[in-house]
Amino acid sequence: NAGVTQTPKFRVLKTGQSMTLLCAQDMNHEYMYWYRQDPGMGLRLIHYSVGEGTTAKGEVPDGYNVSRLKKQNFLLGLESAAPSQTSVYFCASSYSGVNYGYTFGSGTRLTVV
Amino acid sequence: QQPVQSPQAVILREGEDAVINCSSSKALYSVHWYRQKHGEAPVFLMILLKGGEQKGHEKISASFNEKKQQSSLYLTASQLSYSGTYFCGTLSGYALNFGKGTSLLVTP
Repeated sequence: NAGVTQTPKFRVLKTGQSMTLLCAQDMNHEYMYWYRQDPGMGLRLIHYSVGEGTTAKGEVPDGYNVSRLKKQNFLLGLESAAPSQTSVYFCASSYSGVNYGYTFGSGTRLTVV
Repeated sequence: QQPVQSPQAVILREGEDAVINCSSSKALYSVHWYRQKHGEAPVFLMILLKGGEQKGHEKISASFNEKKQQSSLYLTASQLSYSGTYFCGTLSGYALNFGKGTSLLVTP
């Protein structure tokens, strides 16, 4: 089992460029999440999805968009990258989101210059 | 709202015990605990549910006080492998809000 796979693992963007981060899970989980992790801030929720075709905003959604066209994939887009979006991005999935633990991907380290 | 964790950092010698606390200003129905080693992804440790049920797979225990809206993680006879940052997570709607983490360093 691959679990949760994130691509790419590293990326450097110039301010104003766009990119898409891909998250794929092979556990048939319904719930998927995108978090960003900054030093001293813990994990902050960007967007999440409770099933195929659904998305919802989290704590820090500004500057990001998401799509969940297939159950196994959850895409995070940055339309116009800003230096404040320099962070480590983690995708996670969960069977139901309420009484089950999360499985995290290995993360994407994004630097915006 | 993020749950509040304390302490922010702990340094232990191998074999010593530690307690990490997590508190919330909102009513809690469940609390998750995760451990993250440097440069790696967070790993699920356990979940504590309202009513006392505990689900997990690590030899680490925890408590959940619904009235006080608090949870505590107990690491006894710590091992070098326990080093890392510990996060608690509480549900807000359908997703977890995580605390800022507690850094634990176990030294020989």
